[in-house]
Amino acid sequence: AQTVTQSQPEMSVQEAETVTLSCTYDTSESDYYLFWYKQPPSRQMILVIRQEAYKQQNATENRFSVNFQKAAKSFSLKISDSQLGDAAMYFCAYRSEEAGGTSYGKLTFGQGTILTVHP
Amino acid sequence: EAGVTQFPSHSVIEKGQTVTLRCDPISGHDNLYWYRRVMGKEIKFLLHFVKESKQDESGMPNNRFLAERTGGTYSTLKVQPAELEDSGVYFCASSQVGHNNSPLHFGNGTRLTVT
Repeated sequence: AQTVTQSQPEMSVQEAETVTLSCTYDTSESDYYLFWYKQPPSRQMILVIRQEAYKQQNATENRFSVNFQKAAKSFSLKISDSQLGDAAMYFCAYRSEEAGGTSYGKLTFGQGTILTVHP
Repeated sequence: EAGVTQFPSHSVIEKGQTVTLRCDPISGHDNLYWYRRVMGKEIKFLLHFVKESKQDESGMPNNRFLAERTGGTYSTLKVQPAELEDSGVYFCASSQVGHNNSPLHFGNGTRLTVT
């Protein structure tokens, strides 16, 4: 079974600075997706960024980028120019691509990292 | 478009009582998932519906949990009788069938407290 580990229960960053959230995972599969989700307080969890394992190029979405190290099974999220609205719980998640089309929504999550942004 | 909605947002019940959680997915989303986050731990998959059929219920913890999705629209998750360890946040998510890159759309979750 796959596992996802987020070793940082809490992180903080000053507004406009850069912060990196860590995520490691364990799998014997070669084909999978990795995701970062964000859940602001009392709001819905939304997708921040995703990475296909077969792609060597790191995914980027505006101020959000990942450092995907497949051999090391590491998938960190970098937030540049942090804004107050980035304050949230961030979850790293894994999805197998080998289980077939019926399992595209079956994610394995990490424990989450609470990010605080200081003005 | 309206997002995934969950009712109630909070529920406090006593051990041994019954609680029913409801999820309304985004219209047209045939995939519906239930997840649960127990305090301080990771979010765990409970089960997956495709329309009204249970596709995967491997994450359901025990037979005190019953999920239904009559008519393939909204879904309910009933806990009967509730135990203290059932406390946590229950999330529902939906996505389109046949779109393997369709992102999951999550609801706000229902916070269940069993006392």
